[in-house]
Amino acid sequence: AIRMTQSPSSLSASTGDRVTITCRASQGISSYLAWYQQKPGKAPKLLIYAASTLQSGVPSRFSGSGSGTDFTLTISCLQSEDFATYYCQQYYSYPVTFGQGTRLEIK
Amino acid sequence: EVQLVESGGGLVQPGGSLRLSCAASGFTVSSNYMSWVRQAPGKGLEWVSVIYSGGSTYYADSVKGRFTISRHNSKNTLYLQMNSLRAEDTAVYYCARARSGYSIDAFDIWGQGTMVTVSS
Repeated sequence: AIRMTQSPSSLSASTGDRVTITCRASQGISSYLAWYQQKPGKAPKLLIYAASTLQSGVPSRFSGSGSGTDFTLTISCLQSEDFATYYCQQYYSYPVTFGQGTRLEIK
Repeated sequence: EVQLVESGGGLVQPGGSLRLSCAASGFTVSSNYMSWVRQAPGKGLEWVSVIYSGGSTYYADSVKGRFTISRHNSKNTLYLQMNSLRAEDTAVYYCARARSGYSIDAFDIWGQGTMVTVSS
């Protein structure tokens, strides 16, 4: 199985900050990479697919980049509703696998 | 409105069985790649199983031989039959739709989740 490793595991930031989360795949996955946001007690929400394509309805302050093995999720100008846990996921092959998550907390 | 609603979770003893259901509205289950994803308490996301629109099925190694994914086309419902349950199967189980519908893809629609607790 392809292993997905996110960094950092947790992150403290303030409203208005710009933050970047990194995801590394154990082998090349082209651009078959998605990012999700999950809030406590809720289902994950798709933010970005194909590494850099914004899902419909997702604010433009979210952006993704990368291909092959290294990917990033950037949130420019953090809003209060952005404090949550973020997961990357590869869908290059089954079993699809997720990163361990990055918890974004209010500083 | 496009949505998924899971049901069937609960408390079950080790070695027991449970069947989860996922009722879809706003789209056709049988025309889409549908998956189950689980999340143990306080842990990350783990993909469990997929059923293709053509009917092929695949499973995570951790559940292979114990879980069975299926669907009922006229009820527009996805199922997960879970047998020989273990404590490590304790999790919230989500059903999810692949975005493109016809290929492996990101999950764009998720249910609200149903909790399965395996304990004596």
